[in-house]
Amino acid sequence: GQSLEQPSEVTAVEGAIVQINCTYQTSGFYGLSWYQQHDGGAPTFLSYNALDGLEETGRFSSFLSRSDSYGYLLLQELQMKDSASYFCAVSSGSARQLTFGSGTQLTVLP
Amino acid sequence: DSGVTQTPKHLITATGQRVTLRCSPRSGDLSVYWYQQSLDQGLQFLIQYYNGEERAKGNILERFSAQQFPDLHSELNLSSLELGDSALYFCASSPQGGGTEAFFGQGTRLTVV
Repeated sequence: GQSLEQPSEVTAVEGAIVQINCTYQTSGFYGLSWYQQHDGGAPTFLSYNALDGLEETGRFSSFLSRSDSYGYLLLQELQMKDSASYFCAVSSGSARQLTFGSGTQLTVLP
Repeated sequence: DSGVTQTPKHLITATGQRVTLRCSPRSGDLSVYWYQQSLDQGLQFLIQYYNGEERAKGNILERFSAQQFPDLHSELNLSSLELGDSALYFCASSPQGGGTEAFFGQGTRLTVV
């Protein structure tokens, strides 16, 4: 089976930088992705890493180390609207099943 | 708007009943995933379809079943409902074999009373 671990809560102030880590255990790994979910809303895709290294998309960056089964999401220049839950997800197996972590609740303080 | 449509948005039903949740994926997407999200919980993978065929199964109860039709829309059937089945049910779709970017519908909030 698959298992993912990420912190349950992170708090930071506006303008700061925050890193949300994710470690995973799975077989047939294809890639690691990140999703954002505001309260009661639908998860929305942020980024996907299939290869080792850093992917940058505006204020958000995502990193993957396949050898360490580890990745992180880096959020820069935090804004109040970034307060949300952030989920890492592994794509694995022949079906490329998408399995999510339990989520990290990010609170951005003024 | 992700392009994924789920109906109904809200559903209230009694224990023991059966309901059907419907999902229309984005145009051209062949993979459909179903997830259950209970209050303040993560997204629990239920089942995945690709072009009409079941591809992967997660922690889906035997009381639950799903299918994907030739027009690629999918239905999730929940029967003998229990209070604990109350949750948000999300459908997501992705191109081809899936696993990269998934697009989520707005979810169906099921309340069992």
